[in-house]
Amino acid sequence: DQQVKQNSPSLSVQEGRISILNCDYTNSMFDYFLWYKKYPAEGPTFLISISSIKDKNEDGRFTVFLNKSAKHLSLHIVPSQPGDSAVYFCAASGGGSNYKLTFGKGTLLTVNP
Amino acid sequence: DAGVIQSPRHEVTEMGQEVTLRCKPISGHDYLFWYRQTMMRGLELLIYFNNNVPIDDSGMPEDRFSAKMPNASFSTLKIQPSEPRDSAVYFCASSLGTADQPQHFGDGTRLSIL
Repeated sequence: DQQVKQNSPSLSVQEGRISILNCDYTNSMFDYFLWYKKYPAEGPTFLISISSIKDKNEDGRFTVFLNKSAKHLSLHIVPSQPGDSAVYFCAASGGGSNYKLTFGKGTLLTVNP
Repeated sequence: DAGVIQSPRHEVTEMGQEVTLRCKPISGHDYLFWYRQTMMRGLELLIYFNNNVPIDDSGMPEDRFSAKMPNASFSTLKIQPSEPRDSAVYFCASSLGTADQPQHFGDGTRLSIL
């Protein structure tokens, strides 16, 4: 039973355009959400996070949006660059003293020059 | 600053052998996590430690798996005896002691059990 779902295994966009990666969750106890980026043969690298008390968090070209009522979050990358090509994982935790992260299965983003 | 260091990067061994994976967390981080990544199940948390004490090992698949953290700078994940279905990439991660601090991952150990 997947509590964090990334329904698109892959996404391809042109350089300079917007990339939108989506994530859905089922556990209403999740209150902290993170996005990680992973290159081949490397570990996941933290990208951006959002607390459930917010609906948007921005860091440079990366913005995460959270819709709690829909149990949905998305990561926007604008403008997309070829170096953004990687697997992106959505993760969620219960916050408080709960440090366990539940990961989605990832979306492979390819940014074409 | 050095990141999380895992060794070995690759391990190939025969079924039935003991396998030991090693992890050195980032200095000052008091939480350490072991994950396993497979095609079927994605990234799964196996166990995590706080101040060297195991807090939650509910993700450990069975008794063949064990993890220890003898001190703040070293942890091991051991599989004995190993089976082909244990083949996966195993990641170690560490973090500071609040839920809003991101976990920092090592580059993983790719384990193949023949």
